[in-house]
Amino acid sequence: DAGVTQSPTHLIKTRGQQVTLRCSPISGHKSVSWYQQVLGQGPQFIFQYYEKEERGRGNFPDRFSARQFPNYSSELNVNALLLGDSALYLCASSPGQGASTDTQYFGPGTRLTVL
Amino acid sequence: RKEVEQDPGPFNVPEGATVAFNCTYSNSASQSFFWYRQDCRKEPKLLMSVYSSGNEDGRFTAQLNRASQYISLLIRDSKLSDSATYLCVVRMGFQKLVFGTGTRLLVSP
Repeated sequence: DAGVTQSPTHLIKTRGQQVTLRCSPISGHKSVSWYQQVLGQGPQFIFQYYEKEERGRGNFPDRFSARQFPNYSSELNVNALLLGDSALYLCASSPGQGASTDTQYFGPGTRLTVL
Repeated sequence: RKEVEQDPGPFNVPEGATVAFNCTYSNSASQSFFWYRQDCRKEPKLLMSVYSSGNEDGRFTAQLNRASQYISLLIRDSKLSDSATYLCVVRMGFQKLVFGTGTRLLVSP
């Protein structure tokens, strides 16, 4: 079975531009979460979506937005890019809404560089 | 104060050594606890969940002390392949995982 997939794998943008990152969860998983990992730090929670609705939001500015589609895939959008947005963006999927048995499985990430 | 705190290391140990990592968390409402492993420039992968009763998976043992808000990971008989960053993770709410900065382990021959 395919794991979590993300595209693109690498991306280079300039300050002020906008970017869209994509994620396909494991088949049968309905929950998708997004994390940002800057070099030397652990991943930071950005959003969680379940059944196409936002169920959680981390401490990120409104430049960050996301959505989930009927097939449970998801997009993360970042507007007005700043140098500090350079990071590895990770998508994680899980079967449900957070039962104690739910495990989050991470995709390989999209490495975004902002110049 | 950070929600999850870990010693960043690195911990340099020889093959066959036993090494222990510790982690503290600040929110007593935290619901679930995990150790994830992350190799360089790769995604985090679940190593094991952590239960109050303690749990063991081969050479790995995890412990949780809710009263002290403390989590530990013990690795016995270290292998070269254990070299990685070990992330202490706490679940808050539905699916929000809060990660520590990670502890880097280097196992040498």
